[in-house]
This record gives sequence, C-alpha cells and structure tokens, in this order.
Amino acid sequence: KQEVTQIPAALSVPEGENLVLNCSFTDSAIYNLQWFRQDPGKGLTSLLLIQSSQREQTSGRLNASLDKSSGRSTLYIAASQPGDSATYLCAASGGSYIPTFGRGTSLIVHP
Amino acid sequence: DTAVSQTPKYLVTQMGNDKSIKCEQNLGHDTMYWYKQDSKKFLKIMFSYNNKELIINETVPNRFSPKSPDKAHLNLHINSLELGDSAVYFCASSQEIALDEQYFGPGTRLTVT
Repeated sequence: KQEVTQIPAALSVPEGENLVLNCSFTDSAIYNLQWFRQDPGKGLTSLLLIQSSQREQTSGRLNASLDKSSGRSTLYIAASQPGDSATYLCAASGGSYIPTFGRGTSLIVHP
Repeated sequence: DTAVSQTPKYLVTQMGNDKSIKCEQNLGHDTMYWYKQDSKKFLKIMFSYNNKELIINETVPNRFSPKSPDKAHLNLHINSLELGDSAVYFCASSQEIALDEQYFGPGTRLTVT
C-alpha cells in the first residue's frame, strides 16, 4: 500500500528565501506525482504534474523534481513571497489508480 | 467560468438524515473523483468514475453512494448520516484516471450534529 510522507509539516520563513519542500513515497511504481497548494477554506490548486518518465517540471518560481528510484520528490520555491503562504500537498498515483496524498507542508512566508 | 463546481458549499444536518452533494465539471474530462478531507486535513480518495463507470471504491461504508448520470456530473448521496461523516468533501476531475492533472472543486463542508 502506497504511503506518502511530507517533510517538514510546517515551515515559517521570511520573504525572499528559497525553499525546498520534500515528499517521499514508499512504492516507486507510480504513473505520476502531482503538487498542489491549498489555501485555508479552499479547494486544491494544481501546481505541477511530473510524469514517471520525467525528472522535473518548472512553472515560474516553482520547480518540482522526481526521483522514482529513491521514492522522492521535491518542490523548490524561489524567492518566496507572502502570497505563497498556503498548505502544499503532494499526491502519488500508482498502478492501482489510487492517488495517495501526503499530509502537507503548511508554509507561512512573513514580510 | 468555474471548471469544477460543487453544491452546496456548506451543509449542516442532523444524525440519521440523508443528504446529497452535487458536482459538475465543464472541462470535458472522462474521470471524476470524490475525496474526503478530515479534521486533520488528511485527504483520502473515496470513489472514482471513468466514463460513468465506477473504477475506485475505497472501503467506503455503503451508506455512501455515488451516482454519475453523465460524464460531467458525479453526485454523492449519503444515507443515515453519522457524526464521523463531518468533513470537507472535494470533487475532482481529470482526463484519464491516474495519468493526468486533477482539478478540484471548492469543497463542501458537511457538519453532522
């Protein structure tokens, strides 16, 4: 059964810092890994989707990498801003078609 | 021009009642999902439909019954509501199951008293 762990659980940083959020998964037989952000009281917004054949994806200040062999993905946020404050979730989708979510990293970027 | 919409946004009801949550997507996707997010914010899949066919049913009590009248709609009906059903329920869609980007609705906060 797939298990997804996200570290750290919470992070508070000053504006402008470069950040790394970690996501690890136990079963490397995945189709893809997706990163989301969730603002308080809102739904999930998709940030990046990495297919199993890819190593990384980039969108603006965000870069996500995937290392299937080690069961890890990282989300890199460059030059963080207060508007980046949210909970970041990763989800791994595997052979059973079941997307498994981590518990998220709660990020606060203070001015 | 909402991609995935859910109604209602909030639902407060008493134990033992039956309620439904509706979901619609206008993205032309073939796959739709229902997720439950508990009080600790843990998100877990409940059901998935692909082209109106049930693909995933994750050990959910049979008091929960999804219904997909067409590809664009996936409704969730809950019988005999219990206190433990209180949570936020999210609908999502993607083109192919497990292969493509998922798009989420805004959620329905269900409170059972």
